[in-house]
Amino acid sequence: DGGITQSPKYLFRKEGQNVTLSCEQNLNHDAMYWYRQDPGQGLRLIYYSQIVNDFQKGDIAEGYSVSREKKESFPLTVTSAQKNPTAFYLCASSKLAGGTDTQYFGPGTRLTVL
Amino acid sequence: GNSVTQMEGPVTLSEEAFLTINCTYTATGYPSLFWYVQYPGEGLQLLLKATKADDKGSNKGFEATYRKETTSFHLEKGSVQVSDSAVYFCALNFNKFYFGSGTKLNVKP
Repeated sequence: DGGITQSPKYLFRKEGQNVTLSCEQNLNHDAMYWYRQDPGQGLRLIYYSQIVNDFQKGDIAEGYSVSREKKESFPLTVTSAQKNPTAFYLCASSKLAGGTDTQYFGPGTRLTVL
Repeated sequence: GNSVTQMEGPVTLSEEAFLTINCTYTATGYPSLFWYVQYPGEGLQLLLKATKADDKGSNKGFEATYRKETTSFHLEKGSVQVSDSAVYFCALNFNKFYFGSGTKLNVKP
């Protein structure tokens, strides 16, 4: 089955530690996205990538980093510079960037800072 | 600029009641419009979409019509079930995705 997988589902981090969230898709989509969702809130765009080896900052990129070495994979690192990282993180992909295409979402990773 | 505004929740209904969740948008061009549903602890699932004016998207008894004249894409369902309890997001895509803030639906038996 085609889809987007995120791992782990739950992640705990101590203050001051970096942590990497995994996102993999087998939909052959060019574009991938990371969103942050806080309780009772909408989605905020962290980073997006339109093509391998290229990515752009979204609305709240500070304290986060990404890489796009393979078409299928778009990992997100939450660094110690992110002051309030506890949140639900959603990865998404679309066939093409821009335009009017549909975004498809993974199941999410809930990050908690202890 | 582009934006999406949807009605604030929570919306609480009894089973078999009629549902409407309002969504209006502003866009500089002709976007595609979407409704996503999010169940607790899960990601967003595409519920339905419409790509041009007067298109009607439908799925699982839910419907929404792309109204260009009123810049709206209201979500409707004739008879809700307890299993429809979730958060619903309206969104548009015009070279970038814009999401509404979400509307929580509670359906009581």
